[in-house]
Amino acid sequence: KNQVEQSPQSLIILEGKNCTLQCNYTVSPFSNLRWYKQDTGRGPVSLTIMTFSENTKSNGRYTATLDADTKQSSLHITASQLSDSASYICVVSSSNDYKLSFGAGTTVTVRA
Amino acid sequence: DAGVIQSPRHEVTEMGQEVTLRCKPISGHDYLFWYRQTMMRGLELLIYFNNNVPIDDSGMPEDRFSAKMPNASFSTLKIQPSEPRDSAVYFCASSRLVAGNTIYFGEGSWLTVV
Repeated sequence: KNQVEQSPQSLIILEGKNCTLQCNYTVSPFSNLRWYKQDTGRGPVSLTIMTFSENTKSNGRYTATLDADTKQSSLHITASQLSDSASYICVVSSSNDYKLSFGAGTTVTVRA
Repeated sequence: DAGVIQSPRHEVTEMGQEVTLRCKPISGHDYLFWYRQTMMRGLELLIYFNNNVPIDDSGMPEDRFSAKMPNASFSTLKIQPSEPRDSAVYFCASSRLVAGNTIYFGEGSWLTVV
């Protein structure tokens, strides 16, 4: 069964600090991995998309890494801002079909 | 572009009533997805369409749920009759192609069945 596990479930950080979110998956065969940011009461917004051959991809202060061998990904937030408070969802796509496997998300709270 | 547009944003209805959720995908996108999000189960795919044709509806929980896409710019998700356990946020999303392309989500329809 395709699964996506995210950790931690939630974290609190001070404004200006960095943090790293983890995503482990068992989806096979693998097509791509996406990170989404979901603000409270809003729809998910895409941050990054990485295919098998990509190890890292950045979007502003967000940097995602992918290790397709160990089936792990991370999302690093640099110099966090209050607006980074949100749920971050790891989504993995199998090349077998168009269904996406969603992680449960990590809730990040940035405090001043 | 206005993005994926969903309506209503919020709906409260009584158990047994029919609920219709609406979606306008981004123009030019040929894939449309309906998702449901709850605290317990996270985001779940209900059904998706390609070029207005339903491709996979295995995520539709029961026969009470139905979805249609009469044309490239409009889709509906209908629940009849609604039950309290259907309370969730329903997202519509669209994409030009799924593989490797961004999937754009709407702001969601927040459904409460009492």
